[in-house]
Amino acid sequence: AQSVTQLDSQVPVFEEAPVELRCNYSSSVSVYLFWYVQYPNQGLQLLLKYLSGSTLVKGINGFEAEFNKSQTSFHLRKPSVHISDTAEYFCAVISGGSYIPTFGRGTSLIVHP
Amino acid sequence: GAGVSQSPSNKVTEKGKDVELRCDPISGHTALYWYRQRLGQGLEFLIYFQGNSAPDKSGLPSDRFSAERTGGSVSTLTIQRTQQEDSAVYLCASSLARSYSPLHFGNGTRLTVT
Repeated sequence: AQSVTQLDSQVPVFEEAPVELRCNYSSSVSVYLFWYVQYPNQGLQLLLKYLSGSTLVKGINGFEAEFNKSQTSFHLRKPSVHISDTAEYFCAVISGGSYIPTFGRGTSLIVHP
Repeated sequence: GAGVSQSPSNKVTEKGKDVELRCDPISGHTALYWYRQRLGQGLEFLIYFQGNSAPDKSGLPSDRFSAERTGGSVSTLTIQRTQQEDSAVYLCASSLARSYSPLHFGNGTRLTVT
């Protein structure tokens, strides 16, 4: 069964600093990878996705992620965060012809002024 | 267009009572998912519906949990004889029937069992 590990449960950072949220998944032949964001009191929404092609994918709000097959990772990055980026971030993986995404435990990004 | 709608947004119930949670997916989305999110934990898959196919119930934690989807649209998740450990946010999502299609989530139902 697929598993997804988000190594950091909480990441505090100052405004305008860079940030990286880590995501690793168990190995599989083919995977689709997603990052979702959940703002306070809202539902999850798609931030970005990797399906194929270029390993660097760009999403909304200046976020990007890089697919690294050899390290089975899909880390999320942003060069300069804003207060409004404070939210819970979830990594999700679909593999092996499944239609059911497996989610990580989430990383709480807390941006301080 | 309208997104995924869940009701109620909050539900407080006494231990041992039955509860029903409702999900209205995005029109045209044939796939529907239920997940559970306990405090401080990730999303736990419960059940998946796809069109008229038999649902994938592999994530349901016990036989107290059941779900149905009527007419390929609205879904109801029922929890019988609720226990305190059932307290969580129950999330519904819908998508197009392709494995690479992202999920569209509702705002969830926060269930508290006292």
